[in-house]
Amino acid sequence: GAVVSQHPSRVICKSGTSVKIECRSLDFQATTMFWYRQFPKQSLMLMATSNEGSKATYEQGVEKDKFLINHASLTLSTLTVTSAHPEDSSFYICSARGQGNGYTFGSGTRLTVV
Amino acid sequence: GDSVTQMEGPVTLSEEAFLTINCTYTATGYPSLFWYVQYPGEGLQLLLKATKADDKGSNKGFEATYRKETTSFHLEKGSVQVSDSAVYFCALSGYNAGNMLTFGGGTRLMVKP
Repeated sequence: GAVVSQHPSRVICKSGTSVKIECRSLDFQATTMFWYRQFPKQSLMLMATSNEGSKATYEQGVEKDKFLINHASLTLSTLTVTSAHPEDSSFYICSARGQGNGYTFGSGTRLTVV
Repeated sequence: GDSVTQMEGPVTLSEEAFLTINCTYTATGYPSLFWYVQYPGEGLQLLLKATKADDKGSNKGFEATYRKETTSFHLEKGSVQVSDSAVYFCALSGYNAGNMLTFGGGTRLMVKP
């Protein structure tokens, strides 16, 4: 079946630094990728949607300059949290959708900013 | 807009008990309905889905039936195991939202031996 690999699974960074999270579709071409943020014991909050080769569409309230999304190929999307602060600490999950319109989720990245 | 409402947790059951997690939705047209499961520290895994009214999705002993008349997609399992402890998300994918997923708030299930 479809597999999405997300790395790293955990990252701890210092306040003010930037962190890049990768999301790769391993055995299918992801025409659209989604990035979610999940706070403890809460549901997923869609941050942005990206289509290969075009700019990401951000949800209301999500800072596009802080959460940079790149979808340069049909198998790779990256989320960069720039100038991270403790309030950016969260669980980030990517999801990829191929031509079959099914969604496949990555295993998530636990970001801790100290 | 589209929305999904599911029962709040946590739901605590003993092993081999019967499970029901309620889910109702609001959407125009005929959305596809999903249940996802999230184990601690992991992403989401598709548990089952149904794409049209009266369809029954099933997997690993879990079942859910697409009830358009009651706009519901309740998740059931006849006999839960400790390994079923996780958070369960009901979701829909509707044409009006560009087929993007809309999630419910999630229900935490804890199964005790």
